[in-house]
Amino acid sequence: EIVLTQSPGTLSLSPGERATLSCRASPSVSTSYLAWYQQKPGQAPRLLIYGASSRATGIPDRFSGSGSGTDFTLTISRLEPEDFAVYYCQQFSSSPRFGGGTKVEI
Amino acid sequence: EVQLVESGGGLVQPGGSLRLSCAASGFSVGTNYMSWVRQAPGKGLEWVSFIYSGGSTYYADSVKGRFTISRDNSKNTVFLQINSLRAEDTAVYYCARDGREELQFAFQIWGQGTMVTVTS
Repeated sequence: EIVLTQSPGTLSLSPGERATLSCRASPSVSTSYLAWYQQKPGQAPRLLIYGASSRATGIPDRFSGSGSGTDFTLTISRLEPEDFAVYYCQQFSSSPRFGGGTKVEI
Repeated sequence: EVQLVESGGGLVQPGGSLRLSCAASGFSVGTNYMSWVRQAPGKGLEWVSFIYSGGSTYYADSVKGRFTISRDNSKNTVFLQINSLRAEDTAVYYCARDGREELQFAFQIWGQGTMVTVTS
């Protein structure tokens, strides 16, 4: 069973700042199967990144993903007001699992 | 436009049953991999079930034996039959399409969700 641990639980930043979100996997995950989602209150999740580093259709280039093996990172280069939300990493397999989420707040 | 619309949620007593529906538009559920994912109030996301394009089905251990995923290709709809409901099944249930056919191993498209509340 793969466990994904996201940190920090909450990230308090201002618009224009850089956000760095961590997702640690145990055991390791193939980069092909690591995704990131954004969820705003009352809304469904939205796919941001798949394959650890590929942006989904329509996702701005201020969002980037990196990492391999057990350590993955989602970076938002310059926070826009609409980026304040909860972010989840996910390993995609025959039994997909999500991390606990990181809330990015103002 | 590619879209998923869930329905069928509601208030149900412990031990009861519900059938959730997910109507797709803009693509065929019969040639795609479809899932249900749930989110308890104030909590994170939990994958519940897959139905593959070939018809194979998979379930999370927490729902195995109580939930059944199926589809009706003529209605372009995926269903989730949920039986023997427990308080811990209270959640928003989302339908999602995964992108493995395009080598995008992630849930590309999500519906707006339907709320299931289990309470006596």
